[in-house]
Amino acid sequence: NAGVMQNPRHLVRRRGQEARLRCSPMKGHSHVYWYRQLPEEGLKFMVYLQKENIIDESGMPKERFSAEFPKEGPSILRIQQVVRGDSAAYFCASSLTVRGLNYGYTFGSGTRLTVV
Amino acid sequence: RKEVEQDPGPFNVPEGATVAFNCTYSNSASQSFFWYRQDCRKEPKLLMSVYSSGNEDGRFTAQLNRASQYISLLIRDSKLSDSATYLCVVNGGNEKLTFGTGTRLTIIP
Repeated sequence: NAGVMQNPRHLVRRRGQEARLRCSPMKGHSHVYWYRQLPEEGLKFMVYLQKENIIDESGMPKERFSAEFPKEGPSILRIQQVVRGDSAAYFCASSLTVRGLNYGYTFGSGTRLTVV
Repeated sequence: RKEVEQDPGPFNVPEGATVAFNCTYSNSASQSFFWYRQDCRKEPKLLMSVYSSGNEDGRFTAQLNRASQYISLLIRDSKLSDSATYLCVVNGGNEKLTFGTGTRLTIIP
């Protein structure tokens, strides 16, 4: 049973390019979460999705960032026109929720985005 | 006030010693609590869930004090491999987990 799969592990983009980060949840998990971790800082919530639905995007910057979790395929975090400040580790997690209670996340190994 | 607050440390502790971390949370409706461990440049990994009055797993003990809204993590007989950042995590009941900024622990030989 594969864990949460993220790719790519490392991504280098020039300023102004687009970055696409992919995440496949654990088998049987229907909830996906994206977090961002800046160097020497804690994890910051970005967005929470279920299949074909964005449940909570309160942590997403208002511009350039978008996320989706289609019926088929992985969840995608898309960053348009990247800037140096977007350089960070982006972690995806999935969870099993029973009766509204979240029993903890399993994280993917992250995508380290470097904007040059 | 932050939703989850932790002492960032660093805690530098000799091997074999006992170390304890505390964490406070602001949402009194929070329903479940976790400790995660994060090694340098790696993903966070679940260390322990904390339910009701707390629980123990080997050298690790987690406790919850709902009245004072804090949870603690105790590590006994610390080992070099315990060096990591320990993240306090709270579920406010909305299926979204909120992470503290972490406490950095270094075990000294």
